[in-house]
Amino acid sequence: GIQVEQSPPDLILQEGANSTLRCNFSDSVNNLQWFHQNPWGQLINLFYIPSGTKQNGRLSATTVATERYSLLYISSSQTTDSGVYFCAVGSDYKLSFGAGTTVTVRA
Amino acid sequence: DTAVSQTPKYLVTQMGNDKSIKCEQNLGHDTMYWYKQDSKKFLKIMFSYNNKELIINETVPNRFSPKSPDKAHLNLHINSLELGDSAVYFCASSQVFVGVNYGYTFGSGTRLTVV
Repeated sequence: GIQVEQSPPDLILQEGANSTLRCNFSDSVNNLQWFHQNPWGQLINLFYIPSGTKQNGRLSATTVATERYSLLYISSSQTTDSGVYFCAVGSDYKLSFGAGTTVTVRA
Repeated sequence: DTAVSQTPKYLVTQMGNDKSIKCEQNLGHDTMYWYKQDSKKFLKIMFSYNNKELIINETVPNRFSPKSPDKAHLNLHINSLELGDSAVYFCASSQVFVGVNYGYTFGSGTRLTVV
């Protein structure tokens, strides 16, 4: 099956800092999504982004499908950004998740 | 209004018991899913249903039986529970339109503990 690698596995940020999370995948896909799992366990969809660039507030994402990677940018991080960020790739009916990047934002 | 709701939120049960988890979505989506998250937070697909039809069955033991009575509901029944079934089970839904998936909405999860 498709392999999904996320880096770094852990990230500690000071409030206000910027960061970049990376997702590499092993095969071409028509579905790529980024999710945030907050400390209470809720999974929130951040982006549906099989290609191109999108922005939503302080978050933006870029997927270069031909090179099989996606980047998630967090700018001016806040403590509420803490949690696990998952990249998931695949087809219409099946997503394979990466192991996640655990982000801790300190006040 | 909750978009994807799962019940119960917590489930503690003994080995060998049978239990069910219910999921309902009010988003009008045509596709629903069950994912399992293990203790290391790894998420893995179990089942996908599109318009009540099973699309994906990801080598899940026969003890797990999903049922989709209509597009808005996808329930999960588990027979003869084992210790290894302890995990968080997430229901999700999405709209798949002409081969384009508009992103998942997840439920809040059901934490199953088998003792």
